[in-house]
Amino acid sequence: SQKIEQNSEALNIQEGKTATLTCNYTNYSPAYLQWYRQDPGRGPVFLLLIRENEKEKRKERLKVTFDTTLKQSLFHITASQPADSATYLCALPSAAGNKLTFGGGTRVLVKP
Amino acid sequence: DADVTQTPRNRITKTGKRIMLECSQTKGHDRMYWYRQDPGLGLRLIYYSFDVKDINKGEISDGYSVSRQAQAKFSLSLESAIPNQTALYFCATSSQTVQETQYFGPGTRLLVL
Repeated sequence: SQKIEQNSEALNIQEGKTATLTCNYTNYSPAYLQWYRQDPGRGPVFLLLIRENEKEKRKERLKVTFDTTLKQSLFHITASQPADSATYLCALPSAAGNKLTFGGGTRVLVKP
Repeated sequence: DADVTQTPRNRITKTGKRIMLECSQTKGHDRMYWYRQDPGLGLRLIYYSFDVKDINKGEISDGYSVSRQAQAKFSLSLESAIPNQTALYFCATSSQTVQETQYFGPGTRLLVL
């Protein structure tokens, strides 16, 4: 099964700066990779999906990259705001593509 | 109204008790999932179902059972609750046609004493 690593240490960042989160995986290269946002006491919410043939994907102030050689995805929040404070999870499909495996998430705290 | 609802939202129970967590969805999705979340361990899949007659074990199904009563309803049971089942439980759904994205309920916080 896929093993996913996300930095378990919280990322503290000043408002207006860019937050960069890392998601590393160890086994097979997935057909796609997803990022979710989770606020305390709530369920994860889907943000972005990037496919293996895409190098970069953007949505508003969010940018995701996918490097299948490094087995890594980077998640960037540009011009960060206090409202961006949350835990961000990456998720990859199983080899059969019928379920997702989630990373442990990285907590982001944006300070005004 | 929320698309994916879970009841109860919070539950305290004692060791050995049987409890049921319920999930309902109005998204019309055929696929439903149960996860548990523990601090530092992320989301782990307990069971999943791709239609009413399909039930599959996830990575941590021991001590749990599920029932898919209808396309919109998927229940998780703890047959005999134990303290290490204390966790946050999430139900999720996805569509067969756009299966990549999962939609999560608000979660049930369970404490087993």
